[in-house]
Amino acid sequence: DTGVSQDPRHKITKRGQNVTFRCDPISEHNRLYWYRQTLGQGPEFLTYFQNEAQLEKSRLLSDRFSAERPKGSFSTLEIQRTEQGDSAMYLCASSLIGGMNTEAFFGQGTRLTVV
Amino acid sequence: DAKTTQPNSMESNEEEPVHLPCNHSTISGTDYIHWYRQLPSQGPEYVIHGLTSNVNNRMASLAIAEDRKSSTLILHRATLRDAAVYYCILRDRDDKIIFGKGTRLHILP
Repeated sequence: DTGVSQDPRHKITKRGQNVTFRCDPISEHNRLYWYRQTLGQGPEFLTYFQNEAQLEKSRLLSDRFSAERPKGSFSTLEIQRTEQGDSAMYLCASSLIGGMNTEAFFGQGTRLTVV
Repeated sequence: DAKTTQPNSMESNEEEPVHLPCNHSTISGTDYIHWYRQLPSQGPEYVIHGLTSNVNNRMASLAIAEDRKSSTLILHRATLRDAAVYYCILRDRDDKIIFGKGTRLHILP
């Protein structure tokens, strides 16, 4: 296993378009997390899953954002009607349940630029 | 909201030890203290974690105060590759990883 992988690594889109990102976690990891990071800031929590169940969605996340993990393996994050303020790095991480006593592994991220 | 407080930035000379402090005065009995770091243009990576006792691994040491309201990440011999943003995070039973602003560590050659 090569770790958490994210696709694409870079995405440029026009304002108003929809975009979808994919995250493939480490295979045995039950927990999957999504974050957004803008320049100079720490990663901002968006949502997380235990297997296919979405446990929590940040109240800061607008209805234009949706995430799924349909079979408890890979996950997708979709942004509808993108805005320039959505430009950021989107990070995915995975860990085992009971992860407070284990490490989380992060992907390299997908950098989104909305023009 | 992040439940930890860290200095915005620190500087250290290469090959010297670095002590990165973190305050977490509202820590609960079941919170684990985690440290992650983020190198430029990369995703965060795990460094170390602990609950009550001091911890050592190949990357660093974690010193936890007796009252658990603060902790210190110790890099024993900093190299230029250790220049990164270091995040101190409390993980509770919800397992969420909530980042603060972290400490940007500069290493001087």
